[in-house]
Amino acid sequence: TQLLEQSPQFLSIQEGENLTVYCNSSSVFSSLQWYRQEPGEGPVLLVTVVTGGEVKKLKRLTFQFGDARKDSSLHITAAQPGDTGLYLCAGAGNNAGNMLTFGGGTRLMVKP
Amino acid sequence: GAVVSQHPSWVICKSGTSVKIECRSLDFQATTMFWYRQFPKQSLMLMATSNEGSKATYEQGVEKDKFLINHASLTLSTLTVTSAHPEDSSFYICSPRGRASAFFGQGTRLTVV
Repeated sequence: TQLLEQSPQFLSIQEGENLTVYCNSSSVFSSLQWYRQEPGEGPVLLVTVVTGGEVKKLKRLTFQFGDARKDSSLHITAAQPGDTGLYLCAGAGNNAGNMLTFGGGTRLMVKP
Repeated sequence: GAVVSQHPSWVICKSGTSVKIECRSLDFQATTMFWYRQFPKQSLMLMATSNEGSKATYEQGVEKDKFLINHASLTLSTLTVTSAHPEDSSFYICSPRGRASAFFGQGTRLTVV
């Protein structure tokens, strides 16, 4: 069974601060995805990282996939209240059907 | 991104009744459908995996007779919560898969009273 540990679980910061969310596993994933979910809605895909060491940027969000493809991080620069939400990492193994293993989620609140 | 339509968005039902949730992939063929359940302030928990035309595979602890899954076509899957009880109240989310990336339905908030 592949497990993903996501930290921190909760994060409350002031507007303008930086933050990093981590996803760690002892398993190797073929790809890793980051999602953002708002209350009452389904998760929305932010990015997919596939190659070990890969770094992707999405405006103020920077995603990194570990060299060994076992861990990943999401860094947000100058957080804004609009970034508030639940952030989920999910790893895809080499199983049939591309089943995803989800991390526990990080609930981010950015105060104005 | 792919278009996934899940409905209803929310439903309130009485204990003992059944509720059907539909999930449609509107612009791609979903060979596999994943159904998740999410309790407040928690992450997604996989309930079952179904492949078109086959019986669903349920995760440990998920009652197959209570959560009936039908995946009769490549664009439609349904989850029926039978004889619902208050403890079944949750947020149910579908994820049709036909590509490498996963897309999710908007979710269905089920409240059993």
